[in-house]
Amino acid sequence: DVVMTQSPLSLPVTLGQPASISCRSSQSLAHSNGDTYLHWFQQRPGQSPRRLIYKVSNRDSGVPDRFSGSGSGTDFTLKISRVEAEDVGVYYCMQSTHWPPYTFGQGTKLEIK
Amino acid sequence: EVQLVESGGGVVQPGGSLTLSCAASGFTFSRHPMHWVRQGPGKGLAWVSRIDGDSTSATYADSVKGRFTISRDNAKNTVYLEMNSLRGEDTAVYYCLRDSGSPEIWGQGTLVTVSS
Repeated sequence: DVVMTQSPLSLPVTLGQPASISCRSSQSLAHSNGDTYLHWFQQRPGQSPRRLIYKVSNRDSGVPDRFSGSGSGTDFTLKISRVEAEDVGVYYCMQSTHWPPYTFGQGTKLEIK
Repeated sequence: EVQLVESGGGVVQPGGSLTLSCAASGFTFSRHPMHWVRQGPGKGLAWVSRIDGDSTSATYADSVKGRFTISRDNAKNTVYLEMNSLRGEDTAVYYCLRDSGSPEIWGQGTLVTVSS
């Protein structure tokens, strides 16, 4: 199974400052079809998760452009250019290149300092 | 508007059974694989199962293989998760998800508590 490792697990950030979350996979997530199936999800307190980014760097509809994804192979990053209060929650990376099983990172809890 | 509404959760004794349902609306249901993902209390997300749009293929996490069965009724726009031989570690919120090349839209979840 592909192991997904996120860091940090806790991320205190000042409003208006940038934030960055790392996600590393135990094997390359590059698919033979040329795509890389690494995705990012946000779970606000008390809510269901929602997808923010799919296939490394594609923002889902309605996701603010302050969110961006990058990376390749085994190393990926989610960046928030300027953190807002509504960004508080837990962020998960997930791979769907090598399945089953689909695997998630442990989650990174973003809070406001 | 795409909607996924789970139901069927509740309290069940260890060794018992429960069937979850997820009613879909707002899209062509049969064109999309569907998933179940769970989240234990205070824990992260864990994938449980996936089924193809035409039910030709179903896959499971090792932790539920042989105990859980995923199925769907495209005429009713509903996906199911039949859970047998339930254990305490199955206690979680269960979410159904639509797949559009990757897991995408989530329902609101339904809570399953396994306890005597």
